[in-house]
Amino acid sequence: NAGVTQTPKFRILKIGQSMTLQCTQDMNHNYMYWYRQDPGMGLKLIYYSVGAGITDKGEVPNGYNVSRSTTEDFPLRLELAAPSQTSVYFCASIQGLPFTSTDTQYFGPGTRLTVL
Amino acid sequence: GEDVEQSLFLSVREGDSSVINCTYTDSSSTYLYWYKQEPGAGLQLLTYIFSNMDMKQDQRLTVLLNKKDKHLSLRIADTQTGDSAIYFCASVHGAGSYQLTFGKGTKLSVIP
Repeated sequence: NAGVTQTPKFRILKIGQSMTLQCTQDMNHNYMYWYRQDPGMGLKLIYYSVGAGITDKGEVPNGYNVSRSTTEDFPLRLELAAPSQTSVYFCASIQGLPFTSTDTQYFGPGTRLTVL
Repeated sequence: GEDVEQSLFLSVREGDSSVINCTYTDSSSTYLYWYKQEPGAGLQLLTYIFSNMDMKQDQRLTVLLNKKDKHLSLRIADTQTGDSAIYFCASVHGAGSYQLTFGKGTKLSVIP
């Protein structure tokens, strides 16, 4: 298994540009998450998905969109990039029922995004 | 909403024990987690404790939970230079929740 992969690793955007952050897992996990980590802060949940075709908002969804057309892929879209979206973005997937004694959590290596 | 607080920095000598502390506000939190983040990497789940437990030990790691005071600690015995990282505490928003609230992280520096 390759685990959770994220592309790109780094990206610089200009204000108003759009981009898609890719996240893929090959472990057939139903639950997938997008977090952002601002400097000196903990992770904040942007969106999550409990399975293909089902997504829901987290704590900080504004300015982002997601889709989950397959179990493997959970892309995060920024439509009009703003400097406030400068952050490191982490994708995660969970095997089993999340946040129980039976789950196993996997995090991707992150995408570092700068909006200028 | 839920809030999770941690001290930002901790410095210990190699071979000593490290204790990283965390407080949380949601009394209905079911699971509490500790993650490790090495420079330039994603988070790695270290251990967790269920809210009806007081203590959990896993090799060099000991988690203590004081539910009354909503205080969680992570003790690392015989701290090594490879333990240098940022450690995050996180709590679940109650039973059946799919969301975690993370603290800001404690940067552990191990002095050789």
